[in-house]
Amino acid sequence: GAVVSQHPSWVICKSGTSVKIECRSLDFQATTMFWYRQFPKQSLMLMATSNEGSKATYEQGVEKDKFLINHASLTLSTLTVTSAHPEDSSFYICSARAFSGRDTIYFGEGSWLTVV
Amino acid sequence: TQLLEQSPQFLSIQEGENLTVYCNSSSVFSSLQWYRQEPGEGPVLLVTVVTGGEVKKLKRLTFQFGDARKDSSLHITAAQPGDTGLYLCAGNGIKAAGNKLTFGGGTRVLVKP
Repeated sequence: GAVVSQHPSWVICKSGTSVKIECRSLDFQATTMFWYRQFPKQSLMLMATSNEGSKATYEQGVEKDKFLINHASLTLSTLTVTSAHPEDSSFYICSARAFSGRDTIYFGEGSWLTVV
Repeated sequence: TQLLEQSPQFLSIQEGENLTVYCNSSSVFSSLQWYRQEPGEGPVLLVTVVTGGEVKKLKRLTFQFGDARKDSSLHITAAQPGDTGLYLCAGNGIKAAGNKLTFGGGTRVLVKP
């Protein structure tokens, strides 16, 4: 099946610094990728939709200047958490839409961010 | 307001028992997907259902899509400890959500040996 890879799997950063998370579709091209945030024991919350070659579409309440999304190619989207604060600590998951006739979405392994 | 309601939120059963998880909405889906997620990992796709009334089987897991494509269920027969995890349903093509993949709240399943 289709594979989506995230990097890094986990990262610890200091308050005030920025951290970048990469999401790659390894065996298919993804014109659309999605970024989610998940708190412990909760479901996934969609943050933004990343469109190749254009600006990301952010969900209501998500600060676009804080969570910078760049979809530079058909296989790569990046999420940069700028000026990170401890409350940004969370599990971030990306997914990519594969048009396989059924418009299936595949998820990455997730990235743990801890801001200290 | 959650567009997709999953129930129950938590289920704890003994190995060998059966369980059913429900996913309901007042909206119609073009398709619905079920995922299982283990702690610290991304969701893994179990199945996609597209046709109203569709039933799909994956070993001990049976997935059903409602005739009106507004609801779905996941039934596990003779559950095993390896079935423990967070089960998520996600609907595709809900107009109220802008045709994005919308997740239910999730059902935590614990199968005790």
